[in-house]
Amino acid sequence: NAGVTQTPKFRVLKTGQSMTLLCAQDMNHEYMYWYRQDPGMGLRLIHYSVGEGTTAKGEVPDGYNVSRLKKQNFLLGLESAAPSQTSVYFCASRNRAEQYFGPGTRLTVT
Amino acid sequence: AQKVTQAQTEISVVEKEDVTLDCVYETRDTTYYLFWYKQPPSGELVFLIRRNSFDEQNEISGRYSWNFQKSTSSFNFTITASQVVDSAVYFCALKTGGGNKLTFGTGTQLKVEL
Repeated sequence: NAGVTQTPKFRVLKTGQSMTLLCAQDMNHEYMYWYRQDPGMGLRLIHYSVGEGTTAKGEVPDGYNVSRLKKQNFLLGLESAAPSQTSVYFCASRNRAEQYFGPGTRLTVT
Repeated sequence: AQKVTQAQTEISVVEKEDVTLDCVYETRDTTYYLFWYKQPPSGELVFLIRRNSFDEQNEISGRYSWNFQKSTSSFNFTITASQVVDSAVYFCALKTGGGNKLTFGTGTQLKVEL
């Protein structure tokens, strides 16, 4: 099993550009999450999904959209990137209690 | 609302010293789970332990041990005889029993030097 994978690993965007981050899991988990990690702030939840076709807002959802069209995939979109969205993004999926994290995507917006 | 506080931003120790990382949590739920994750310099998040609120038994795994005390709402993590490979950021996290989300602390950067 690959576990949780994220694509891409690194990306540089210019302000105003759009992009989609892909998260995939092969553990048949219902729950999936997107976090961002910024220095000194730990991980903050952006959006999450409790099952295929569902999404919900987390702690810092503004400027992001998500979709969960297939159970194994959870997409995070930035429609118009801003420098404040420079961060490391982690995807996670969950079984009953434990979350499994992907390797992270480092995004820089200039 | 739930909250996790890791008051120690950075700790530096010399190899072979013991070190304790503090975690204090807040929740009104009676059923909850507590976690520790390790984030080494390579950046991935490594799961270390999960405890549920009904199990206050302390746990030891090799050089790692965890002290869960509901009376003080704390879930502290001790590394015995620290090694350079223990250098990482350590996160404590909380999930309520009926909730869908993990709440993370801000992390403690541990530096173990020779």
